[in-house]
Amino acid sequence: TQLLEQSPQFLSIQEGENLTVYCNSSSVFSSLQWYRQEPGEGPVLLVTVVTGGEVKKLKRLTFQFGDARKDSSLHITAAQPGDTGLYLCAGDKQDFGNEKLTFGTGTRLTIIP
Amino acid sequence: DAGITQSPRHKVTETGTPVTLRCHQTENHRYMYWYRQDPGHGLRLIHYSYGVKDTDKGEVSDGYSVSRSKTEDFLLTLESATSSQTSVYFCAIRTGGDYGYTFGSGTRLTVV
Repeated sequence: TQLLEQSPQFLSIQEGENLTVYCNSSSVFSSLQWYRQEPGEGPVLLVTVVTGGEVKKLKRLTFQFGDARKDSSLHITAAQPGDTGLYLCAGDKQDFGNEKLTFGTGTRLTIIP
Repeated sequence: DAGITQSPRHKVTETGTPVTLRCHQTENHRYMYWYRQDPGHGLRLIHYSYGVKDTDKGEVSDGYSVSRSKTEDFLLTLESATSSQTSVYFCAIRTGGDYGYTFGSGTRLTVV
């Protein structure tokens, strides 16, 4: 059972366009993280959101955590070829006092020059 | 930056042989994790450790064991490799707060 569903799975758009990636769950998370992964490398943390309703901006990337802390979105403005990669959301939960991160299935983004 | 290295980076092994993957961190982080990444499944947790000799299972732990005898090293062992264990394996450390998790560069394992 996949706790975190990402949509879309694949997205290919022209340079300069805007896009939104969604991460949805029926579970509540203590925090939600977004990672980007390049081929042959491990995921790299982009942002962590903790508070319900929180919005964080990282240059052209805007991250939002749902009010109920069950879902999140990533919006990219004026996409650039350098934004190409696999975007992963991950929810952090405590399990008997230990922290565990559960990942979504990922969104593979391709920006066409 | 938290230093985390995985070895080997690539390995091809035969079905039925034992395989050990190593994860090494240069800082004193308490939590370490092993994930596998497969197309259509994202990253799935195999085992994790919350201290020396303290480990627990993740969602896909069957066929895998782990050991952590020192803070800096977390070993993943496939006792008898099967083709279904062909995957890319990632180690991660929890660096805390907004720093999230730091991942190694991965080990691509092929079981033939």
